[in-house]
Amino acid sequence: GDSVTQMEGPVTLSEEAFLTINCTYTATGYPSLFWYVQYPGEGLQLLLKATKADDKGSNKGFEATYRKETTSFHLEKGSVQVSDSAVYFCALSDPLKGAQKLVFGQGTRLTINP
Amino acid sequence: GAGVSQSPSNKVTEKGKDVELRCDPISGHTALYWYRQRLGQGLEFLIYFQGNSAPDKSGLPSDRFSAERTGESVSTLTIQRTQQEDSAVYLCAGGSRSYNEQFFGPGTRLTVL
Repeated sequence: GDSVTQMEGPVTLSEEAFLTINCTYTATGYPSLFWYVQYPGEGLQLLLKATKADDKGSNKGFEATYRKETTSFHLEKGSVQVSDSAVYFCALSDPLKGAQKLVFGQGTRLTINP
Repeated sequence: GAGVSQSPSNKVTEKGKDVELRCDPISGHTALYWYRQRLGQGLEFLIYFQGNSAPDKSGLPSDRFSAERTGESVSTLTIQRTQQEDSAVYLCAGGSRSYNEQFFGPGTRLTVL
């Protein structure tokens, strides 16, 4: 079945550092790809998404490009802030499978130190 | 309300007891999903409702788990004869069929002693 593998954490960086969180997927169809973020004490919320190959999703300075050839959707940010500390989840869904249920990676906890 | 709400926010129960978790989706969201998040793990899909169609129950881990939804409103997830491995955060999400995004509630943290 479909699956998502993401970089194990926790990841600790200093403020203004460059961030990459790796995500690769396995899917039989043509999935949509997502990054969700869970800030401390808050619910899961969509950070960005891409629905087809070579699409780039972006939000709040974060970017991820849908790479079909490498089945990847790595999350990047050029200069992280303390407020980016959260757990990040890579996920996919297959719109053609009707239910559009999300398949999640295990999550990566990110801590940014001032 | 402005977002998806879930109740209770925390539930502690004894092994063998039944529990019922509630989800109030955003008005107009025809799709509703339940997920489970065990400690240190990603979210696992449990069940999906879309309008009046038969639910997709393919993620329910055992017959102790069941869920109901009346129309496009409130949903309840019931776990019978709880076990310690049921301890997790149970998340509800809603969405519309045409829009490729799910909106999550804050979750219910279930602890089975």
